[in-house]
Amino acid sequence: DIVMTQTPLSLSVTPGQPASISCKSSQSLLHSDGKTYLYWYLQKPGQPPQLLIYEVSNRFSGVPDRFSGSGSGTDFTLKISRVEAEDVGVYYCMQSIQLPQYTFGQGTKLEIK
Amino acid sequence: QVTLKESGPVLVKPTETLTLTCTVSGFSLSNARMGVSWIRQPPGKALEWLAHIFSNDEKSYSTSLKSRLTISKDTSKSQVVLTMTNMDPVDTATYYCARILGGSYCPGCFDYWGQGTLVTVSS
Repeated sequence: DIVMTQTPLSLSVTPGQPASISCKSSQSLLHSDGKTYLYWYLQKPGQPPQLLIYEVSNRFSGVPDRFSGSGSGTDFTLKISRVEAEDVGVYYCMQSIQLPQYTFGQGTKLEIK
Repeated sequence: QVTLKESGPVLVKPTETLTLTCTVSGFSLSNARMGVSWIRQPPGKALEWLAHIFSNDEKSYSTSLKSRLTISKDTSKSQVVLTMTNMDPVDTATYYCARILGGSYCPGCFDYWGQGTLVTVSS
């Protein structure tokens, strides 16, 4: 199975400052169809996860443009340009290239200073 | 408005079989571009995908739990059912159902989730 490793596991950010989360996969997530199946989810406290980014860099409907995703192959990054209080929660990366096994990272907890 | 709602027991005993139901609304389980997955989350831990089912009855299971899981659907009732046999305390978790997209837009995306149901395994 593909292992997804996130760093850091936690970060504390001042509102208005940027934040960055790394996700590394144990195998390339580039599919033969040319797409890279890497997703980012945010789980706010007491809520189910919500989709932020799909296929590395595509923001899902309604996701603010302060969220951006980048990367290729096995190395990926989620960036928040200016953190807001509502961004607190746990961020997960997920792969779906190795179907039918969807694998999540261990999560990165974002707190506000 | 798309909604998913999980239901089932809050407490099961070790070795028992867990049966969870996901009732959906706002979309049809016969929609060719959509399916439903089950995902769980032990307290304070990460998410773990369990199984999914699509409109054509295509089913897939986590390789580590495949022998214990069965997923099925009743399209007329808009329900997806997951059974997990031989429950153990380590299976204590919040169990979520989520809609999964299977078309050309956002394939593999879990775009709508239920609120989850906490299942505790204890004697």
